[in-house]
Amino acid sequence: DTAVSQTPKYLVTQMGNDKSIKCEQNLGHDTMYWYKQDSKKFLKIMFSYNNKELIINETVPNRFSPKSPDKAHLNLHINSLELGDSAVYFCASSRLGRLQETQYFGPGTRLLVL
Amino acid sequence: AQTVTQSQPEMSVQEAETVTLSCTYDTSENNYYLFWYKQPPSRQMILVIRQEAYKQQNATENRFSVNFQKAAKSFSLKISDSQLGDTAMYFCAFGTQGGSEKLVFGKGTKLTVNP
Repeated sequence: DTAVSQTPKYLVTQMGNDKSIKCEQNLGHDTMYWYKQDSKKFLKIMFSYNNKELIINETVPNRFSPKSPDKAHLNLHINSLELGDSAVYFCASSRLGRLQETQYFGPGTRLLVL
Repeated sequence: AQTVTQSQPEMSVQEAETVTLSCTYDTSENNYYLFWYKQPPSRQMILVIRQEAYKQQNATENRFSVNFQKAAKSFSLKISDSQLGDTAMYFCAFGTQGGSEKLVFGKGTKLTVNP
């Protein structure tokens, strides 16, 4: 059973389009995260939600909007895609969002904007 | 701002040998955690080991151990008896307790284990 799953795994799209990435966890965790890994492998947190409430909102363009319909799902919607949005996006979850807990990562979604 | 520095972009080791990956961090906080994550070619991020700053004893997980030097703000990862499956990117990460407990990652070290 996959603990944290993301769809799609790969996404190729044109500049200016709007796209969504979905994330689901079946671990019963309260906290979910979105990370961006750029072409140089640098990994940076974008958002975190705890029980559907936004907790962390890093300096991310307004074109990125996370949505948490329930605590098992955290989707990422991106408007007006730009070339610089090309990256691998990882979803993760942890039980209560505390550092002493393990964060479980999804397999990543590779986004390529042409 | 908290920063994490991994000074070795790439390293290689022979199978069965020992390798040490370096990590330094900068913080004025006292309560924090340090982590090593592994990202194999499959892209999956996997927690290797975690260290609480208030614990003097170095964390160990099977063949993986850390050398935590709090005063020097150093947190190196030692992999003993290296295996081919250890080939991966290794990321050092840091997080402060209290408030938004988020992880700050270093830029990673690409480790290749050669047969």
